[in-house]
Amino acid sequence: SQQGEEDPQALSIQEGENATMNCSYKTSINNLQWYRQNSGRGLVHLILIRSNEREKHSGRLRVTLDTSKKSSSLLITASRAADTASYFCATRTSYDKVIFGPGTSLSVIP
Amino acid sequence: EAGVVQSPRYKIIEKKQPVAFWCNPISGHNTLYWYRQNLGQGPELLIRYENEEAVDDSQLPKDRFSAERLKGVDSTLKIQPAELGDSAVYLCASSLEKAGTSGTYEQYFGPGTRLTVT
Repeated sequence: SQQGEEDPQALSIQEGENATMNCSYKTSINNLQWYRQNSGRGLVHLILIRSNEREKHSGRLRVTLDTSKKSSSLLITASRAADTASYFCATRTSYDKVIFGPGTSLSVIP
Repeated sequence: EAGVVQSPRYKIIEKKQPVAFWCNPISGHNTLYWYRQNLGQGPELLIRYENEEAVDDSQLPKDRFSAERLKGVDSTLKIQPAELGDSAVYLCASSLEKAGTSGTYEQYFGPGTRLTVT
């Protein structure tokens, strides 16, 4: 079974709006990472948050981690058409496994 | 800095034929990953190397898949014989991880090899 599960599976928003996607996981982790994938650039690392951190920011990205709920969220503020892509969370578990979730497909409408 | 290089980019073969994929990671990266990604799904780890050692191959179908990373640099993933269900994109990634800080470094992905088995 998948360690990480993103929701929603698909999200469609207007340009300028914020997009929030969530990731839930099942076992304890060392860190959680978010990746973006589009046809033009392949899989690209966005941000990493360690298990002892609760929030991180990078530009228009904000990631939170709640280890008690085994969940993380990725917020993209002021979305742009170029943010259209699939977003994946990837967990590095405490027993050193790397597991990607099934992803959220984001469409930003100009 | 050159990124992760993979070849070929596309491969079409008939079932029961062998196929091999090659990956050259970013210079200096000690950890190399092979993933398989089916359409609409997330990448599934097949094998992870730290230098020359395969530290996680639990998801590698060892009856038909094999991999090697000689000299701890580039790597080859082989399927023999291929089955229809092996059609997917095969991704290679690399990262720099130091002892005692496992998993604290981001993965850099190559463009992938799209395999079609007919």
